[in-house]
Amino acid sequence: AQSVAQPEDQVNVAEGNPLTVKCTYSVSGNPYLFWYVQYPNRGLQFLLKYITGDNLVKGSYGFEAEFNKSQTSFHLKKPSALVSDSALYFCAVRDEGSQGNLIFGKGTKLSVKP
Amino acid sequence: EPEVTQTPSHQVTQMGQEVILRCVPISNHLYFYWYRQILGQKVEFLVSFYNNEISEKSEIFDDQFSVERPDGSNFTLKIRSTKLEDSAMYFCASSEAGVRGYEQYFGPGTRLTVT
Repeated sequence: AQSVAQPEDQVNVAEGNPLTVKCTYSVSGNPYLFWYVQYPNRGLQFLLKYITGDNLVKGSYGFEAEFNKSQTSFHLKKPSALVSDSALYFCAVRDEGSQGNLIFGKGTKLSVKP
Repeated sequence: EPEVTQTPSHQVTQMGQEVILRCVPISNHLYFYWYRQILGQKVEFLVSFYNNEISEKSEIFDDQFSVERPDGSNFTLKIRSTKLEDSAMYFCASSEAGVRGYEQYFGPGTRLTVT
């Protein structure tokens, strides 16, 4: 069965420092991986995706993610965190055999302090 | 920038009542989805819809649920007889295509409270 794990409920980072939000996945076929961000009282906003090709994917707001097939991971990264990056981050996967539904992780709350 | 909209933002209903949650997907998108998020839990897939029919549904999407695209713009989720456990945030999403590489764009959600 497909699954996504986000092992950290919360990540705390000082502004200006690099941040990493972790995600590991399990699928039966080739994975299609996504990161979404949710600000308070807002819907899920698409950040970036990995479908194929370069393992380092760049997305919105300076975020990037690294796909690692051997470790079945897709960690979200940013070189220099901003206070405005504080939000809830969701990793999601779609199996190549699915009709389109996304399987989400439980979310990681990112808190960036000045 | 086009976005998915949902109404109402918050719906309170009594157990056993019918509710209809409404969504306006992005205009050139062809695939539509409903997800829900019970407080403190994961976002869960409910149903996907294409070409006026359901293309996939989860175990959660039982006979109490139905979806419809009544006109060219709206996409609705109906819960026929609400239960307390239906209380959740319901998200509508749409995508240009259903193939796996296309990202889905989500609306702001409708918070459903069943009392």
